[in-house]
Amino acid sequence: LAKTTQPISMDSYEGQEVNITCSHNNIATNDYITWYQQFPSQGPRFIIQGYKTKVTNEVASLFIPADRKSSTLSLPRVSLSDTAVYYCLVGATRNTDKLIFGTGTRLQVFP
Amino acid sequence: GAGVSQSPRYKVAKRGQDVALRCDPISGHVSLFWYQQALGQGPEFLTYFQNEAQLDKSGLPSDRFFAERPEGSVSTLKIQRTQQEDSAVYLCASSLTGGMNTEAFFGQGTRLTVV
Repeated sequence: LAKTTQPISMDSYEGQEVNITCSHNNIATNDYITWYQQFPSQGPRFIIQGYKTKVTNEVASLFIPADRKSSTLSLPRVSLSDTAVYYCLVGATRNTDKLIFGTGTRLQVFP
Repeated sequence: GAGVSQSPRYKVAKRGQDVALRCDPISGHVSLFWYQQALGQGPEFLTYFQNEAQLDKSGLPSDRFFAERPEGSVSTLKIQRTQQEDSAVYLCASSLTGGMNTEAFFGQGTRLTVV
């Protein structure tokens, strides 16, 4: 599975847009990019997944450039409740593939 | 149930004691994963089941760790002769099928403290 690199931590204020970039230089042709969110004392929660270009849902947007060696999770107008750890995962669609988490990005939103 | 359920939520074990952690996945989910999460770290993969078959146990840290899913639904992670370094949160996840293009649903985890 492709290894990912993302910032250890980020700070933001309520109402701002937050962009978290993940590098995955060794991404393979069949690999998808998936982001999970984890609050304290809870298990990770799926946020968004994409393969190329841009994906948007009610929670976030995911931007993937043409070379797919990086991706950016965009959270519009964050609130205090968005304070969490965000994990970027890369892997393929074979049903034997497991999720491999890195250390994630700890986002702290201030009032 | 509506989500993945794990029990107990908290477990305190004396060093050397055996423990069993239970995971009830979402009904109908084929894939089941166990992860170990130390404080301040990301979840570390332990093992993976597809139905009752344990397809990958490469993450189990020692032969003291054993997982089973005999009927392809409920799974149990057993740790024998617990040691202090086993203290962590143990997370279970299930997904409808395997692979990265399907959403995995995590339980709240079992926090194990070995004293």
